[in-house]
Amino acid sequence: GQQLNQSPQSMFIQEGEDVSMNCTSSSIFNTWLWYKQDPGEGPVLLIALYKAGELTSNGRLTAQFGITRKDSFLNISASIPSDVGIYFCAGQNNNNDMRFGAGTRLTVKP
Amino acid sequence: DTEVTQTPKHLVMGMTNKKSLKCEQHMGHRAMYWYKQKAKKPPELMFVYSYEKLSINESVPSRFSPECPNSSLLNLHLHALQPEDSALYLCASSHDWTSTDTQYFGPGTRLTVL
Repeated sequence: GQQLNQSPQSMFIQEGEDVSMNCTSSSIFNTWLWYKQDPGEGPVLLIALYKAGELTSNGRLTAQFGITRKDSFLNISASIPSDVGIYFCAGQNNNNDMRFGAGTRLTVKP
Repeated sequence: DTEVTQTPKHLVMGMTNKKSLKCEQHMGHRAMYWYKQKAKKPPELMFVYSYEKLSINESVPSRFSPECPNSSLLNLHLHALQPEDSALYLCASSHDWTSTDTQYFGPGTRLTVL
C-alpha cells in the first residue's frame, strides 16, 4: 500500500525558532493535509492542499504541496509553547482513503 | 460549526462487557469514519459509512460492530474485547466520500480493556 514517510520523528526547539517537517510518498496523492494532535484529543486540521505546487499559509504555518504530488512540507515560524503536540501529514487518493504519516512530536522550550 | 462530538470521553471495560461508543455531527456530512489510534502511532482506519451505508470495513474483528442509525449519528458497539484493543477511538466526518473532502475529527474515546 501507499506509505508516507514523515520526518523528523521528533524535534526539541527553543521558543521563537522556526520549525520544518516534511512527508514523502512512493505514490502520488490528490490532496495533502496537515493535522495537529494534542494529548488525549483528536487531530485538528491545520492546512489542506489540493493542487500540486500549491503554497498555503495559516497564520504562522505554511505548507506546500510538492510539484511531483509525492511530498509536502509544513513550516512553523516563531514557535510558541502552545505549538507543542504531534503533527501528522496525511495524503488522500480518489476513494477518500486517507494515509497518515507516523507523526512529528514537537517540544518547545520556553 | 465544524464540531464532531464523541461520548464517553473515557471508558474502562472488562473483556466480558458490552459497551457502545457514540459519535455525532450536525454539519450535514454524509460520510462518517471510525479510527483506532494506539499511543505514539497515527490513526488507523476501521470503518467508513457513506450515506448511512457501510462502505469500507478494514478487516476489523467482529467484536467491533459499527452502526449508523441516521446521517448524524455513528455508533461502535463493543463486545468481548481484548486488552490489546485498548486505544483512542476517533470518529471523523466529511461532507462526502470524495478525494477533495476534508475529514474533521472528534476528540476521541480513550478505551481501556481490563
